[in-house]
Amino acid sequence: EAQVTQNPRYLITVTGKKLTVTCSQNMNHEYMSWYRQDPGLGLRQIYYSMNVEVTDKGDVPEGYKVSRKEKRNFPLILESPSPNQTSLYFCASSRDRGGTEAFFGQGTRLTVV
Amino acid sequence: AQSVTQLDSQVPVFEEAPVELRCNYSSSVSVYLFWYVQYPNQGLQLLLKYLSGSTLVKGINGFEAEFNKSQTSFHLRKPSVHISDTAEYFCAVLPGRRALTFGSGTRLQVQP
Repeated sequence: EAQVTQNPRYLITVTGKKLTVTCSQNMNHEYMSWYRQDPGLGLRQIYYSMNVEVTDKGDVPEGYKVSRKEKRNFPLILESPSPNQTSLYFCASSRDRGGTEAFFGQGTRLTVV
Repeated sequence: AQSVTQLDSQVPVFEEAPVELRCNYSSSVSVYLFWYVQYPNQGLQLLLKYLSGSTLVKGINGFEAEFNKSQTSFHLRKPSVHISDTAEYFCAVLPGRRALTFGSGTRLQVQP
């Protein structure tokens, strides 16, 4: 079954404690991205990756890092989380960047206190 | 720069009634257009997309959308909704080779 798997689904952490949200896809997709979803703002792209070792900033990259060492994995790293990063996060993958369907993970609800 | 406007944040409707969810976009280049649906506690799922060709696009679950270039709109419609259609719906545009840009979402609430 084609899927994008995120872990964890829910996470509560304290300000400044580094955390990683994992994302893995089994469709051999080249393009992967991270979004955050906030009420009234829709989804905003944080980072994206065109392929292994190729990443770039999206619209709201501040406070986040990513890496793409393998094609299937695209972890999101918060080196020093702050309360304004409390949000619902989605990982997505697609065959390429233009015009094809994006597959989304189930989401990770992060609360930073 | 491109933007997507979903004019209604919430749309309440009775079961079996028709519904239209509105989406307008602005872009300086040609775009691809999408509608995604998000059921409670789930990720986004593609409903339908417009890439080229016929301006009337049919998607899953009986939804359809019409691309209107002159009005820069891509409204989503369904002639008869079910309780199971209760969800949040996102319009998105893909301008050229840039990333998907999403609207703020419309929460469809279907009442019995």
